[in-house]
Amino acid sequence: SQQGEEDPQALSIQEGENATMNCSYKTSINNLQWYRQNSGRGLVHLILIRSNEREKHSGRLRVTLDTSKKSSSLLITASRAADTASYFCATELGGGTYKYIFGTGTRLKVLA
Amino acid sequence: EAQVTQNPRYLITVTGKKLTVTCSQNMNHEYMSWYRQDPGLGLRQIYYSMNVEVTDKGDVPEGYKVSRKEKRNFPLILESPSPNQTSLYFCASSPSGGGWETQYFGPGTRLLVL
Repeated sequence: SQQGEEDPQALSIQEGENATMNCSYKTSINNLQWYRQNSGRGLVHLILIRSNEREKHSGRLRVTLDTSKKSSSLLITASRAADTASYFCATELGGGTYKYIFGTGTRLKVLA
Repeated sequence: EAQVTQNPRYLITVTGKKLTVTCSQNMNHEYMSWYRQDPGLGLRQIYYSMNVEVTDKGDVPEGYKVSRKEKRNFPLILESPSPNQTSLYFCASSPSGGGWETQYFGPGTRLLVL
């Protein structure tokens, strides 16, 4: 299976704390994306990081990419109850395949 | 409003009864894709289409068919559903399928096969 993996599978934190989730993948990539899913709903794109970037910021989100370790992390700073959701990383398999691989997801619960 | 729509949203059926889940997008996207989501397995790609009349298999195509006769529509067909196809299904689209593009997801179709 080409499945990406994320850890932790579940994370519970208090409002105001930072949340970090990690994604590992198996193939070489050109880009890696993070998506958010509110309870059983469609996924929403959060941020894209390219393979030649090591870090990217968007509001309270910070994404890092380590291509040597084939891993990425998503940091949500000063978390809010509204950040409660599942978070997935996704990569295109590349080589002109147009196939996508999603991670298994991290379920984040932010307690008010 | 730019969106991907799926119908039905919920479906209960019995083993072997053919069904179709429709997907439509109004963003003039070339690329469309179907995923299934199962607990602990994340999203797995079933089929995708780069443009009209061009489709290809994803990671888990067995038991599914697709067709892309029009740019906006990409139906998912289960010719003979089985209980192991009970899942949450998502359709998604993007401008051309490139890995730098955002995929826009539909609201999901929850399927139960008895």
